[in-house]
Amino acid sequence: SAVISQKPSRDICQRGTSLTIQCQVDSQVTMMFWYRQQPGQSLTLIATANQGSEATYESGFVIDKFPISRPNLTFSTLTVSNMSPEDSSIYLCSVTPRSTGELFFGEGSRLTVL
Amino acid sequence: AQSVTQPDIHITVSEGASLELRCNYSYGATPYLFWYVQSPGQGLQLLLKYFSGDTLVQGIKGFEAEFKRSQSSFNLRKPSVHWSDAAEYFCAVGGSGFQKLVFGTGTRLLVSP
Repeated sequence: SAVISQKPSRDICQRGTSLTIQCQVDSQVTMMFWYRQQPGQSLTLIATANQGSEATYESGFVIDKFPISRPNLTFSTLTVSNMSPEDSSIYLCSVTPRSTGELFFGEGSRLTVL
Repeated sequence: AQSVTQPDIHITVSEGASLELRCNYSYGATPYLFWYVQSPGQGLQLLLKYFSGDTLVQGIKGFEAEFKRSQSSFNLRKPSVHWSDAAEYFCAVGGSGFQKLVFGTGTRLLVSP
């Protein structure tokens, strides 16, 4: 298994500002994933954070809006830039620690944009 | 394209009654299938997974799911529901690079006394 810590757990932000979410894993993992869960919705993959290379973004998500860092094998950050109320969501970090196919999730960061 | 359909948005079950949550998927190759549970204010917890082999898989908390290829289904079951099972349940499918999962829209389970 993997223990994933996300910070902040929740925040209230003003329109136009940016917020960086941190994800720390208790073991080294090759890939880390960032998902978004909009209110009452399912999870949508934003991007895959690869150590040593640029993140890979899914359709509909761009680096300028959601820049990602992956400085080492246990840590990643997701920034939500120039926020608007539509960005109010839960953002979840997830990892697959080994080739088990099991995706482990952090408890998420709940962002509310006013 | 891969997709997951959970046709029931809400389900209410009496405590002690049996439960079945439906999940249908669309995937062009052999699917890897998962059920996750999300309690209010919590992250997602893996209940069970299917990769290959026995089509009836057992998970945590007394849950099981059956993979039926002919029906493209992976329904979740529990013989006797407890009040603590009230939560949101998500079915997900993946394939090669299976860490990238596609999730269904979820089914909210309510448990009545």
